[in-house]
Amino acid sequence: DTEVTQTPKHLVMGMTNKKSLKCEQHLGHNAMYWYKQSAKKPLELMFVYNFKEQTENNSVPSRFSPECPNSSHLFLHLHTLQPEDSALYLCASSQDTFRELFFGEGSRLTVL
Amino acid sequence: GENVEQHPSTLSVQEGDSAVIKCTYSDSASNYFPWYKQELGKGPQLIIDIRSNVGEKKDQRIAVTLNKTAKHFSLHITETQPEDSAVYFCAASNNNAGNMLTFGGGTRLMVKP
Repeated sequence: DTEVTQTPKHLVMGMTNKKSLKCEQHLGHNAMYWYKQSAKKPLELMFVYNFKEQTENNSVPSRFSPECPNSSHLFLHLHTLQPEDSALYLCASSQDTFRELFFGEGSRLTVL
Repeated sequence: GENVEQHPSTLSVQEGDSAVIKCTYSDSASNYFPWYKQELGKGPQLIIDIRSNVGEKKDQRIAVTLNKTAKHFSLHITETQPEDSAVYFCAASNNNAGNMLTFGGGTRLMVKP
């Protein structure tokens, strides 16, 4: 079992749909992250939350909307996505923003 | 910002042989260099890291070396086993500035039995 849990594992959506990805950690970490992993590209940092406050937004399009209600939960709300947004979305947490990252298994998103 | 290049993108070795993956970075202020292993269907997991005050670190069959002058660092896996097959990512950051990690493009290692 992973210590960072992501749901759903797989998601297929149309370009007009609205869906959300969920991430949960009970490691007591205060920082949480969303990364995008596409084929043949480096891991791309999307958002960082530290103590529930967003500290990084790496020029991500507004069709991706993060939400961090508390230090243990992180959401990524998706709407009007494009086919090129199809990728594996990884959530991670860490004790501080410069410590070891603990990743979930990811949510595989396919946009039709 | 930091830029991390990783080579090779794919590496195939025979079981028992050694494997070496190399990374270069651009920001001379970077001082923390972790390596992550990603198995099929799983998220990346930290396997070893090195800080700029040391040149080499070893943990059983894996070792990492760092050359700050040349701005490159390498992962060495000896006596490879089929379970070493995975994608390996290097990364770099300036911990003193609390910077985020910048990842390399990944190396797919295949260990043939």
